[in-house]
Amino acid sequence: NAGVTQTPKFQVLKTGQSMTLQCAQDMNHEYMSWYRQDPGMGLRLIHYSVGAGITDQGEVPNGYNVSRSTTEDFPLRLLSAAPSQTSVYFCASSYSRGAGTGELFFGEGSRLTVL
Amino acid sequence: SQQGEEDPQALSIQEGENATMNCSYKTSINNLQWYRQNSGRGLVHLILIRSNEREKHSGRLRVTLDTSKKSSSLLITASRAADTASYFCAYNQGGKLIFGQGTELSVKP
Repeated sequence: NAGVTQTPKFQVLKTGQSMTLQCAQDMNHEYMSWYRQDPGMGLRLIHYSVGAGITDQGEVPNGYNVSRSTTEDFPLRLLSAAPSQTSVYFCASSYSRGAGTGELFFGEGSRLTVL
Repeated sequence: SQQGEEDPQALSIQEGENATMNCSYKTSINNLQWYRQNSGRGLVHLILIRSNEREKHSGRLRVTLDTSKKSSSLLITASRAADTASYFCAYNQGGKLIFGQGTELSVKP
């Protein structure tokens, strides 16, 4: 099993550009989520999904869109990138539908810089 | 902020010493988890303690939970240089898994 795979690992964008961070898992997990990690802020939840076709907002959803058309994939879209979105983004999945009821498996992160 | 708080923010110890990290949270929980993050990597799950448990062990890790004080602690015994990492607590709140801000542990050989 590859686990949770994120692409790209590094990306530089200009303000106003859009892009999609890809996340795929091969563990048949129902729950998938996106976090951003900033120095001194820990991890903050952006969006999450408890199954295909179901998504919901986390703590910091503004400026991001998600969709969940399949169990395996959970892409994160930045609609119009801003310097405040410079961060490290982590995708995580769990076999449990409910957040916090089971172990989260994390990808290796995508490092995004917005100029 | 919904985030939990961890202290200390940074901890530096010698190999062989014990390391204790604390986590406080703000709401009722079903369970609390601890994760480890090596520099530049994703987080790795260490241990989960349920709200009806007071203490749990896994190898050199000991986790305690005090729901009356809304706090948890992670103890790493006989630390090694390889334990150098950031450690995060995480708890469920309203269907979302909320992470603390982390403790950066440095273990010097």
